[in-house]
Amino acid sequence: VQMTQSPSYLAASPGESVSISCKASKSISNNLAWYQEKPGKANKLLIHSGSTLQSGTPSRFSGSGSGTDFTLTIRSLESEDFAVYYCQQYNEYPFTFGSGTKLEIK
Amino acid sequence: EVKLQQSGDELVRPGASVKMSCKASGYTFTDYAMHWVKQSPGQGLEWIGTIIPLIDTTSYNQKFKGKATLTADKSSNTAYMELSRLTSEDSAVYYCAREDNYDVMDAWGQGASVTVSS
Repeated sequence: VQMTQSPSYLAASPGESVSISCKASKSISNNLAWYQEKPGKANKLLIHSGSTLQSGTPSRFSGSGSGTDFTLTIRSLESEDFAVYYCQQYNEYPFTFGSGTKLEIK
Repeated sequence: EVKLQQSGDELVRPGASVKMSCKASGYTFTDYAMHWVKQSPGQGLEWIGTIIPLIDTTSYNQKFKGKATLTADKSSNTAYMELSRLTSEDSAVYYCAREDNYDVMDAWGQGASVTVSS
């Protein structure tokens, strides 16, 4: 399953809201996760099952979608949110990731 | 606290093999599968495969069959990945990650860099 993530780069200011899209090449039901990557830190699982927040994920993060189209939305950006985000399907092997979205401060 | 401690960075010669480790703590090692993921320089993430330590069952991405071998030592709560016949294409950061009850990777190691160079 190919995962097409967009945009690859996003610049925003603290307090703004942003959305990241992830499209699967075929239906993956809701078997989609979102991860956050930050330098010097272990990758962090944010959301699984398309829209379920992992314990510890702030409520300003939300996920939506099912089938082939998914979205990660971050409301009221905080400084700690500037990072790289990846989607990943776990509906079937081989698991596959999106190419990543780098979220930078404007 | 769940923790995955990976072995250190490696510099290896082309054609050689390397074996890296991922020591788990803070949970029952045999209760969860362990995944391995590759991140090439400036690139995204590629799933290599997974091992279920309880029954030593593995599943591999076809792309990494013959390249990666996953094992686990239940006595030391450690997962291993060996990469063989290394080339420059294998230079990357490799991560181990625990699979939780929802089949997602809920805890990640810090990563281990492998540089293949003569």
